[in-house]
Amino acid sequence: EDKVVQSPLSLVVHEGDTVTLNCSYEVTNFRSLLWYKQEKKAPTFLFMLTSSGIEKKSGRLSSILDKKELFSILNITATQTGDSAVYLCAVEAPRDDKIIFGKGTRLHILP
Amino acid sequence: DSGVTQTPKHLITATGQRVTLRCSPRSGDLSVYWYQQSLDQGLQFLIQYYNGEERAKGNILERFSAQQFPDLHSELNLSSLELGDSALYFCASSGEYSPLHFGNGTRLTVT
Repeated sequence: EDKVVQSPLSLVVHEGDTVTLNCSYEVTNFRSLLWYKQEKKAPTFLFMLTSSGIEKKSGRLSSILDKKELFSILNITATQTGDSAVYLCAVEAPRDDKIIFGKGTRLHILP
Repeated sequence: DSGVTQTPKHLITATGQRVTLRCSPRSGDLSVYWYQQSLDQGLQFLIQYYNGEERAKGNILERFSAQQFPDLHSELNLSSLELGDSALYFCASSGEYSPLHFGNGTRLTVT
């Protein structure tokens, strides 16, 4: 069965710290991996990764995919309280036309 | 604003009742996905439609059904409601080469 596993499930750090969130997957016919940030309401899109080894960057956030080892990481540097959220990883499985989400990492940044 | 519109925002109803949740996708997006999010389960994929046709089914109960209309809006019907159906229901849409964008969700409370 296709699955996406995120770790850790929750993380508490101080403002200014760097965090690394992990996402591993077992999906047949992988197409892409997606990262989302969810605060109070809808998940908002961060990154889409399709190729191994190519880092995607947006400000203090960056992500990379390893298709051989079937995982991705999301890095956040110089964290701010506004980064507090649940970070969701999802994988597109075109065989079943599904997009499967992990349970998320709940990140809390202390001032 | 993601461009995906969901109504209503909140719904409170009694067990045994039936409700309809509505979703309008982003302009140009042909795919509509429905997800259920409860505290302990994360985002659970329910069903996907593409241009009016059902494309993929997830863990959708038989009491639940959905459809996508010619104008591409979609409705999720939940019947014989149980307390355990209380959750946040998200609709998301995507285009050919664009990632999922989520609506703000409908919070369903069954009493």
